[in-house]
Amino acid sequence: DQQVKQNSPSLSVQEGRISILNCDYTNSMFDYFLWYKKYPAEGPTFLISISSIKDKNEDGRFTVFLNKSAKHLSLHIVPSQPGDSAVYFCAASGGNMLTFGGGTRLMVKP
Amino acid sequence: DAGVIQSPRHEVTEMGQEVTLRCKPISGHDYLFWYRQTMMRGLELLIYFNNNVPIDDSGMPEDRFSAKMPNASFSTLKIQPSEPRDSAVYFCASFLGYNSPLHFGNGTRLTVT
Repeated sequence: DQQVKQNSPSLSVQEGRISILNCDYTNSMFDYFLWYKKYPAEGPTFLISISSIKDKNEDGRFTVFLNKSAKHLSLHIVPSQPGDSAVYFCAASGGNMLTFGGGTRLMVKP
Repeated sequence: DAGVIQSPRHEVTEMGQEVTLRCKPISGHDYLFWYRQTMMRGLELLIYFNNNVPIDDSGMPEDRFSAKMPNASFSTLKIQPSEPRDSAVYFCASFLGYNSPLHFGNGTRLTVT
């Protein structure tokens, strides 16, 4: 039973445009959500997070939106750059354990 | 800080052999996690420790897998005997605790032939 799902295994976007990555979760006890970025042959690196008391958190080109009623979060990257090409994982936590989605491979074309 | 350090980066072994993966967490982080990444199952949690004590090992696939944390700066994940289906990338991660981000090492790519 997947508690965190990323339904799009891949996404292709033109450089300069917006990338929107989506994530759904089922466990209403989750109260902290994160996005990680992973390059080949490296570990996932933390990108941005949001607490359930907020519905938006912004850090430079990256914004995470949380819709608690829909149990949905999304990551917006504006403008997208070729260096953003990577696998993006969303993760959710209701305590000291993170549950990860399956990942979305983002390809940003020059 | 150097981040979470894992060794070796790559391990190739034959079926039946013992494999030991090593991890040094970030200093001061009280929690340490072992994850496995496969194409089929994505990132799955195997076990985590708090203050060197195993808290949840429900993700450990079989008795062939064991993990230890003898002190705050070192942990091992052992597979004995190894099987081809254990081939995956194994990540170690650490964090301060609740509502803080998890920091990953660069992983150990294990190939069992």
